[in-house]
Amino acid sequence: AQSVTQLGSHVSVSEGALVLLRCNYSSSVPPYLFWYVQYPNQGLQLLLKYTSAATLVKGINGFEAEFKKSETSFHLTKPSAHMSDAAEYFCAVSERRAAGNKLTFGGGTRVLVKP
Amino acid sequence: EPEVTQTPSHQVTQMGQEVILRCVPISNHLYFYWYRQILGQKVEFLVSFYNNEISEKSEIFDDQFSVERPDGSNFTLKIRSTKLEDSAMYFCASRPRGITNEKLFFGSGTQLSVL
Repeated sequence: AQSVTQLGSHVSVSEGALVLLRCNYSSSVPPYLFWYVQYPNQGLQLLLKYTSAATLVKGINGFEAEFKKSETSFHLTKPSAHMSDAAEYFCAVSERRAAGNKLTFGGGTRVLVKP
Repeated sequence: EPEVTQTPSHQVTQMGQEVILRCVPISNHLYFYWYRQILGQKVEFLVSFYNNEISEKSEIFDDQFSVERPDGSNFTLKIRSTKLEDSAMYFCASRPRGITNEKLFFGSGTQLSVL
């Protein structure tokens, strides 16, 4: 069974400051890992994914995440927050297998960006 | 970028009534999914669908739920007799043929309120 834990349901950052969203996962097999973002009144949009290539993954909008197997973590960062980064962010894990792509999501972290 | 379209955006129904949530996946996609998010809780997997049959379903997806792809373009989720606890945001998702680490494309959701 797989699970995802996101530390902090709400994060407040100042514009221009570092954004750090924490994600730890549990999986019995090597995982695929994802970060999705949800803007108000919109669907979930993929930010980035880890699929066993480079452990540092770069995504859209200046976000990146690092896969650390020893820590079972996949934290999301952005060096400098922008007002448009205000949204809810979800970490998700799926198992590598031939069929299906069931995602298990974390509880989400809502990011507030202060001017 | 192509989009997954969900209708309606909001649905209000009385307990015990049947509801059908509609989704139009991206046209060349072959795998289809329903997820839901109860207010304040995690996004949860309900069901995956491929080649006109369910490929996986969660414990939530009991006999009250069914899915159908009636005409090659729509993908529907039916709840036969709604309960109060079915109130949630329901997300449809799809992905193209390919390896399992392909990203899911999510719709913007249908907010179901059961009164």
